[in-house]
Amino acid sequence: QQPVQSPQAVILREGEDAVINCSSSKALYSVHWYRQKHGEAPVFLMILLKGGEQKGHEKISASFNEKKQQSSLYLTASQLSYSGTYFCGTPETNFGNEKLTFGTGTRLTIIP
Amino acid sequence: EPEVTQTPSHQVTQMGQEVILRCVPISNHLYFYWYRQILGQKVEFLVSFYNNEISEKSEIFDDQFSVERPDGSNFTLKIRSTKLEDSAMYFCATLRGRSTEAFFGQGTRLTVV
Repeated sequence: QQPVQSPQAVILREGEDAVINCSSSKALYSVHWYRQKHGEAPVFLMILLKGGEQKGHEKISASFNEKKQQSSLYLTASQLSYSGTYFCGTPETNFGNEKLTFGTGTRLTIIP
Repeated sequence: EPEVTQTPSHQVTQMGQEVILRCVPISNHLYFYWYRQILGQKVEFLVSFYNNEISEKSEIFDDQFSVERPDGSNFTLKIRSTKLEDSAMYFCATLRGRSTEAFFGQGTRLTVV
């Protein structure tokens, strides 16, 4: 069963913030976040391996709430280059080398 | 930066024909995957490959599909008799090790007519 992401789509003006949520009905062992631009391959953003973990890269960060079986991706002061579809991906076990089941996706559009 | 390379970038084939999609993974990576993405939809797992054998496959990966790594370098996905619903973007992905990021190739857009 795939993780559910919310919102499905969001439009922001450059400089605004966004939060993308990823929720699962099953236990989450780790969460991967990817961004995909139209017609391109998904590009890795970050992995969160432990409950309570938070990570950040420049103005993009994420948190992982293992108990609530959810993760959130935070985009601060969004730039035009942040436009794309964001997917969370989760493995089914904690072996770490398994397939990822990707979420439903969140389409983010940044306008000037 | 090392890349996962896929060929061809676009393939158009007639229904019922066989297609082979090719991927050259990053050389020291151990785990290989094929995913597909129907236009506008989510990325779906097809098959994983480790130590020269399939480690897991999805319901989509039926008898019409096969994978192999014939020469220790190329990683191929074969669809024996393509159907219209096989039209999608096919991505190869590789992992260096456990709990690491997946590197995706640029994809092969397969169009079955």
